[in-house]
Amino acid sequence: EDQVTQSPEALRLQEGESSSLNCSYTVSGLRGLFWYRQDPGKGPEFLFTLYSAGEEKEKERLKATLTKKESFLHITAPKPEDSATYLCAVQAQTNAGKSTFGDGTTLTVKP
Amino acid sequence: DVKVTQSSRYLVKRTGEKVFLECVQDMDHENMFWYRQDPGLGLRLIYFSYDVKMKEKGDIPEGYSVSREKKERFSLILESASTNQTSMYLCASSSPGGGRGYTFGSGTRLTVV
Repeated sequence: EDQVTQSPEALRLQEGESSSLNCSYTVSGLRGLFWYRQDPGKGPEFLFTLYSAGEEKEKERLKATLTKKESFLHITAPKPEDSATYLCAVQAQTNAGKSTFGDGTTLTVKP
Repeated sequence: DVKVTQSSRYLVKRTGEKVFLECVQDMDHENMFWYRQDPGLGLRLIYFSYDVKMKEKGDIPEGYSVSREKKERFSLILESASTNQTSMYLCASSSPGGGRGYTFGSGTRLTVV
């Protein structure tokens, strides 16, 4: 059974204070690992797809990296508008199209 | 941009009612999904569909059914609503390649009283 564990559950940062969110996963043959951002009361919004260990993707202040067992979402010099819940999900090669989600990390960035 | 539209943002229904949640996507995606999201439990898959008239059970299908008569529309049906089905319901779609992940709707917050 595919499993995704995210840590920490919640993270409070000062504006400009860089940090990382962790996503540990077990999957029988990784097809893709996905990061999403979810604002309160809204549906998740796609950020990145990572396919293989060593891959990195960047978007503004966010950088996602992937190893064989975990992924990190690095947030550099965050701003208050980066406050949201960040979700990680995996798809197995044998379950093409179906994702298993973690419970998310809720990030709060204080000005 | 791909759009996934859920018919209602908020719904209040009575116990025992039959409830229909509608979802429409406009990008010709084959795959469509229904999740519920609850605090502390994360996103849980209810049903999904890879093609018209096809459906597969997810992790928590009990008390739910689905209908996919047209490619763009995926409906979730609560046969007899119960208070433990009070939740945020999220519809999503994706292409078979899946490289762009899911596109989610804005969600329907359902309260069963």
